[in-house]
Amino acid sequence: DVKVTQSSRYLVKRTGEKVFLECVQDMDHENMFWYRQDPGLGLRLIYFSYDVKMKEKGDIPEGYSVSREKKERFSLILESASTNQTSMYLCASSLFDSGGLAGGFGGNEQFFGPGTRLTVL
Amino acid sequence: TQLLEQSPQFLSIQEGENLTVYCNSSSVFSSLQWYRQEPGEGPVLLVTVVTGGEVKKLKRLTFQFGDARKDSSLHITAAQPGDTGLYLCAGARAYKYIFGTGTRLKVLA
Repeated sequence: DVKVTQSSRYLVKRTGEKVFLECVQDMDHENMFWYRQDPGLGLRLIYFSYDVKMKEKGDIPEGYSVSREKKERFSLILESASTNQTSMYLCASSLFDSGGLAGGFGGNEQFFGPGTRLTVL
Repeated sequence: TQLLEQSPQFLSIQEGENLTVYCNSSSVFSSLQWYRQEPGEGPVLLVTVVTGGEVKKLKRLTFQFGDARKDSSLHITAAQPGDTGLYLCAGARAYKYIFGTGTRLKVLA
């Protein structure tokens, strides 16, 4: 049974704290993604990685950084948490699409974790 | 900039009714996926459509990709309470997926 796991289901932090969200997948997928989900806005891509130590900015990278030291693990870091980062954070993984970086990205199935609901007070 | 608009945003219907959810964009996508998300869980893929005009059926769910690959629809026949959830479309473009705003469906028994 394929799985994407996230380190916490619920997290409460204070403004200014450094926050680490961890994601682990057991499917040997090359691609990993971090999204945030807010009502009425759908899922918005924060960062994505297509290989170890590689990262690409998504649509809303400001205030976030990521780390991918091992293929199965992708971490999202909030350097100094702010109240507007209160949200549901979803991690996903997928197989690499060879057309992706050169165009013709067909889009393989993304497998999602259960999400981390982060509240910043 | 939200590239994929879904309508309606909310839908509450009785068991046995039919419904259609729309996913519209002014941009072309190389493929389009539909996901369903239940409370406390991540989205789960229902279908991927790749070719313009393509129609795929999954039991009572029918998915269509627009001819120009800019829009898609999801039609559910004889909805059941188990269909309740958040439906998300996602277009594949460049190296990433653009998600729609979501349609929250509630089917009442």
